[in-house]
Amino acid sequence: DGGITQSPKYLFRKEGQNVTLSCEQNLNHDAMYWYRQDPGQGLRLIYYSQIVNDFQKGDIAEGYSVSREKKESFPLTVTSAQKNPTAFYLCASSIMVGRLAGELFFGEGSRLTVL
Amino acid sequence: RKEVEQDPGPFNVPEGATVAFNCTYSNSASQSFFWYRQDCRKEPKLLMSVYSSGNEDGRFTAQLNRASQYISLLIRDSKLSDSATYLCVVNERSGGYQKVTFGIGTKLQVIP
Repeated sequence: DGGITQSPKYLFRKEGQNVTLSCEQNLNHDAMYWYRQDPGQGLRLIYYSQIVNDFQKGDIAEGYSVSREKKESFPLTVTSAQKNPTAFYLCASSIMVGRLAGELFFGEGSRLTVL
Repeated sequence: RKEVEQDPGPFNVPEGATVAFNCTYSNSASQSFFWYRQDCRKEPKLLMSVYSSGNEDGRFTAQLNRASQYISLLIRDSKLSDSATYLCVVNERSGGYQKVTFGIGTKLQVIP
């Protein structure tokens, strides 16, 4: 079945460590996105990419990095520079119709806890 | 001003009630609009797209008012299973790219 897969589902890390969250899709979607959600809050855009080897900062990119070397994959690294990294991280993908993004399909999310 | 604004609620309504949510957006050049549903501790899922002419899917009706820059979602005959957070989503052009922005979400609790 086609879909979008995030791993790991739960992750614990110590302060000062970098961690990479995986996001893979087999939907042949051009666009991929990373959002962060804090308890009782909405989704905030971290990074997005609409074509391989190109990505754009979202609203809260500081302390994060991404790469888009393959269409299927859009990993997110949470660096030690991110001041408050404990959150629920959601990856999504969508088709692009011309310059318009279609419906977003989400992975099940990764819950990161910094100890 | 936030790009996409929603009343976070919660809206507590009895079963069978009709409930409406609004969402305002700040960028008049926004191009497409959606409502998503998010259950507790789960990923969001598309509820419906919002078209200029309005659209209906069963008990759900979505409307777009470009002049006043808001979209709405109407739920008729509320069911207990409608309890969730409803997220307003706006696609806007940002430079040469499409930026997809979510509202904070409106929490709906349908009570027996």
